[in-house]
Amino acid sequence: EAGVTQSPTHLIKTRGQQATLRCSPISGHTSVYWYQQALGLGLQFLLWYDEGEERNRGNFPPRFSGRQFPNYSSELNVNALELEDSALYLCASRSRTAGETQYFGPGTRLLVL
Amino acid sequence: SQQGEEDPQALSIQEGENATMNCSYKTSINNLQWYRQNSGRGLVHLILIRSNEREKHSGRLRVTLDTSKKSSSLLITASRAADTASYFCAPAYSGAGSYQLTFGKGTKLSVIP
Repeated sequence: EAGVTQSPTHLIKTRGQQATLRCSPISGHTSVYWYQQALGLGLQFLLWYDEGEERNRGNFPPRFSGRQFPNYSSELNVNALELEDSALYLCASRSRTAGETQYFGPGTRLLVL
Repeated sequence: SQQGEEDPQALSIQEGENATMNCSYKTSINNLQWYRQNSGRGLVHLILIRSNEREKHSGRLRVTLDTSKKSSSLLITASRAADTASYFCAPAYSGAGSYQLTFGKGTKLSVIP
């Protein structure tokens, strides 16, 4: 069974640009979570999608947005990039029927110059 | 903040020794999960303990939960160099957010060969 995949693995942008990160969940998983892991700040919850709908979002400004597609893959968009957006962005998926465990992808490392 | 808080922040031990990490949280939980992260990569689920359980084992891992003290501990016995990683606890709080995890900054474990 393939795990959670994320693309790209690395992304370099400049301030003010937009970044798009993608996540494909494990087959059969309908929930997708996004986290930001900036240096020294631990994992911060960003967004939770389930069955195509946004279920909850963390304490991030509106320029962080996303969506979930009918095949349950997801996209995270970050507009008007700032230097402090540089971080590892992790995606996780969960099966609605198989419990509470989240399965993580390898992450996308975003560097804003 | 509702995140779990791990203690200590960093731990260095010799191979073969036991490692104990602690986690404290704020309010009633549905379950508490422990994850491992190797050097800036994705998280790997280790173990889940439910609020009505007091202890759980998985291989060399032992997790305890004390809901009266709102705390949990992760014990790794007979540590190996490959156990070097960051360890995160993630409480899943009761109620509508029980499928949403909150992570702390983790405990960075170094196992010296």
